[in-house]
Amino acid sequence: AQSVTQLDSQVPVFEEAPVELRCNYSSSVSVYLFWYVQYPNQGLQLLLKYLSGSTLVKGINGFEAEFNKSQTSFHLRKPSVHISDTAEYFCAVSVEGYDKIIFGKGTRLHILP
Amino acid sequence: EAGVAQSPRYKIIEKRQSVAFWCNPISGHATLYWYQQILGQGPKLLIQFQNNGVVDDSQLPKDRFSAERLKGVDSTLKIQPAKLEDSAVYLCASSLDLAGAQWRPGELFFGEGSRLTVL
Repeated sequence: AQSVTQLDSQVPVFEEAPVELRCNYSSSVSVYLFWYVQYPNQGLQLLLKYLSGSTLVKGINGFEAEFNKSQTSFHLRKPSVHISDTAEYFCAVSVEGYDKIIFGKGTRLHILP
Repeated sequence: EAGVAQSPRYKIIEKRQSVAFWCNPISGHATLYWYQQILGQGPKLLIQFQNNGVVDDSQLPKDRFSAERLKGVDSTLKIQPAKLEDSAVYLCASSLDLAGAQWRPGELFFGEGSRLTVL
């Protein structure tokens, strides 16, 4: 069965600094990978996804992620964060062809002024 | 386009009482999910419907949780009797039909959730 590990529960970063949120997955079959964002008191929304093709995927709000099959990773990056990026970020995986999404435990991004 | 609607937003009950949550998905979305999100954890899938049929309920505690989607549109999740460990946010999400031509993998649309506190 597939699973997702988010290595950091919280990441503090200064405003306008770069950030990387780490995600590793495990699966014996081809997977789809996703990052979702949850702003305070809101539901989750899709930030970006990797299905196939280019390993570098771009999402909303200037975020991007790189799929690395050899390292089974899908880390999320942003070159310069803003206070509005304060949120919880969830990495998720699904098996190719199926619509069951498994979420990681989440990483809370704290933006420091 | 209206989003996924959930109610109530907040509910406080005592253990052993019952509670029900309602969800209305985005119009035209055949697949509906209920997730449980305990504080500090990621969402855990409880049940997945395709139209009004159950696709996956392997993690639904069936001795106390039940869910239905009678007409293939809105859905109700019930807990009876509630336990302290049921305190969580219950998230409803919907997506386009898995078999449909417009299916976009992993593109779930979530409601704002229903926060349950069991005392």
